[in-house]
Amino acid sequence: QKEVEQDPGPLSVPEGAIVSLNCTYSNSAFQYFMWYRQYSRKGPELLMYTYSSGNKEDGRFTAQVDKSSKYISLFIRDSQPSDSATYLCAPSKAAGNKLTFGGGTRVLVKP
Amino acid sequence: DGGITQSPKYLFRKEGQNVTLSCEQNLNHDAMYWYRQDPGQGLRLIYYSQIVNDFQKGDIAEGYSVSREKKESFPLTVTSAQKNPTAFYLCASRETGAQPQHFGDGTRLSIL
Repeated sequence: QKEVEQDPGPLSVPEGAIVSLNCTYSNSAFQYFMWYRQYSRKGPELLMYTYSSGNKEDGRFTAQVDKSSKYISLFIRDSQPSDSATYLCAPSKAAGNKLTFGGGTRVLVKP
Repeated sequence: DGGITQSPKYLFRKEGQNVTLSCEQNLNHDAMYWYRQDPGQGLRLIYYSQIVNDFQKGDIAEGYSVSREKKESFPLTVTSAQKNPTAFYLCASRETGAQPQHFGDGTRLSIL
């Protein structure tokens, strides 16, 4: 079993819909949780960075962490075709520590 | 503009040949990282360096080597001992403290 799991998708939604992405992990020592967006043939771009459980909102993006269930979510409101990308979750045990990446979920937002 | 520059964008290797991938950053970050990404898989850590002249093996270091002679540079050599080198290689860096990693745009390595 992988330490961090994501559904590979693709997840196809119409423009303007809410995109809901999930990630599960097995290591209870993870404390910091990152979401990265990766366009084809590009490097990952940091979207959200949260510590411990709870919600964090940044514009159209909301990250949720439920440590009791070892479950991480990312929501994208008012989705745009430019949101079409692969989304990677990456938890870590300590600030600045090594990241453990999920395999990513591919998202397609159709105009 | 500040950022992380990886070169070349595409690289081809012949059997038995060593190749070196370049990673340069002008963000004044102390820590630098090398990852490998294969289709459908997450990024896997090859090597990382927290300070100049020091580096540690990651999860898949066999067949790779690095150096960190300057703060801004962290080149990765893929040696002939790496039997399956075809992959997308990503370099990252971050500031000290509780700061996340930021990535370059990668080098795609293929075998001729």
